[in-house]
Amino acid sequence: QVQLVQSGAEVKKPGASVKVSCKASGYTFTSYGISWVRQAPGQGLEWMGWISAYNGNTNYAQKLQGRVTMTTDTSTSTAYMELRSLRSDDTAVYYCARGLIGDIVFNWFDPWGQGTLVTVSS
Amino acid sequence: EIVLTQSPATLSLSPGERATLSCRASQSVSSYLAWYQQKPGQAPRLLIYDASNRATGIPARFSGSGSGTDFTLTISSLEPEDFAVYYCQQRSNWPTFGPGTKVDIK
Repeated sequence: QVQLVQSGAEVKKPGASVKVSCKASGYTFTSYGISWVRQAPGQGLEWMGWISAYNGNTNYAQKLQGRVTMTTDTSTSTAYMELRSLRSDDTAVYYCARGLIGDIVFNWFDPWGQGTLVTVSS
Repeated sequence: EIVLTQSPATLSLSPGERATLSCRASQSVSSYLAWYQQKPGQAPRLLIYDASNRATGIPARFSGSGSGTDFTLTISSLEPEDFAVYYCQQRSNWPTFGPGTKVDIK
């Protein structure tokens, strides 16, 4: 079955960087894009950006431009999201999610990874 | 950015009752609207896409309707496992989510 498995929880200090991984299985990795969505504690869902697993093209949410980088490693079917210059308001659960309709940025999200809690605290 | 608003914020119902959730877009999204269910400690799960299409494995008691700016998710008869938070999402432009509706047990 299609599955996305994310790396474990992280605790970081303000100003540091974090890199979260998302390993895909059960489908042809390069046929679908991956989006990243975050959820602050007790809050709603925020789309962070998208990467094409086919050619590495990216689109990032405007508020995160300059601080986020999304990459993929097709040899291991793994997507990565790096967030730099972390602030306390970056504390959230970070999800990767596969696009339902192939490799396009404006997409539905299915399935989702299990989530990775990133805590930013001094 | 297309803003999605959801109402009500909380819906208190009993098992077996019908649930009607609303999502309104700040501008037309055509039929490019989806619904997700999220339970505590879990990732969201896609229920409905393109306003009215059930995702794989989703029970028939879940249905979606609407187009343009006004959309509805209906759960015909609530099962115990349906008590959760429901989010709408649009893909007409850069993806955005609504703030959610919590369906809790009355």
